[in-house]
Amino acid sequence: KNEVEQSPQNLTAQEGEFITINCSYSVGISALHWLQQHPGGGIVSLFMLSSGKKKHGRLIATINIQEKHSSLHITASHPRDSAVYICAVLPNTGNQFYFGTGTSLTVIP
Amino acid sequence: EAQVTQNPRYLITVTGKKLTVTCSQNMNHEYMSWYRQDPGLGLRQIYYSMNVEVTDKGDVPEGYKVSRKEKRNFPLILESPSPNQTSLYFCASRGHLGNGYTFGSGTRLTVV
Repeated sequence: KNEVEQSPQNLTAQEGEFITINCSYSVGISALHWLQQHPGGGIVSLFMLSSGKKKHGRLIATINIQEKHSSLHITASHPRDSAVYICAVLPNTGNQFYFGTGTSLTVIP
Repeated sequence: EAQVTQNPRYLITVTGKKLTVTCSQNMNHEYMSWYRQDPGLGLRQIYYSMNVEVTDKGDVPEGYKVSRKEKRNFPLILESPSPNQTSLYFCASRGHLGNGYTFGSGTRLTVV
């Protein structure tokens, strides 16, 4: 059973569009992690957050602990943003992260 | 450069032939973990280690072994590989929780 649900599964956008990827989870958590997986397979960490909002360049991540929901926003999207975006949560009661199955984003020039 | 080094990147082997995938990190991280990634299933944890000589099973440990004799190294051992272990494997490490994971570049394993 996957405790982390991402939506949409697949997303195609035109260059310049504002993009939102959603992550919902069912358990109490101490941290949430957004990751980016490039077409070549490599995975990089984007954000780790436990409350509020974080921003890095054109990427913004928000989390609402009460609603058990997080969003990843990309402003002024670019073809190089094309990747799979993965959400992972660390439950309050555990030591391991649980991962969503990812959102595949394609940005068309 | 801070990194997690995983080797090999690609490996094709035959059923039953023991293999080891190496993982090394240079960030003095306490926590290291192995994941496998399969289409439609996302990343699933195989084993993790909280520190030297401390390891524990993740969600899919069957058919795998690990060891943590030194802080920097966390090898994944497949004693008798089977075709259902064909997958993309990632090693990851983290220190303080707020800093998130650093992932290795992945190992694509095919067992025939």
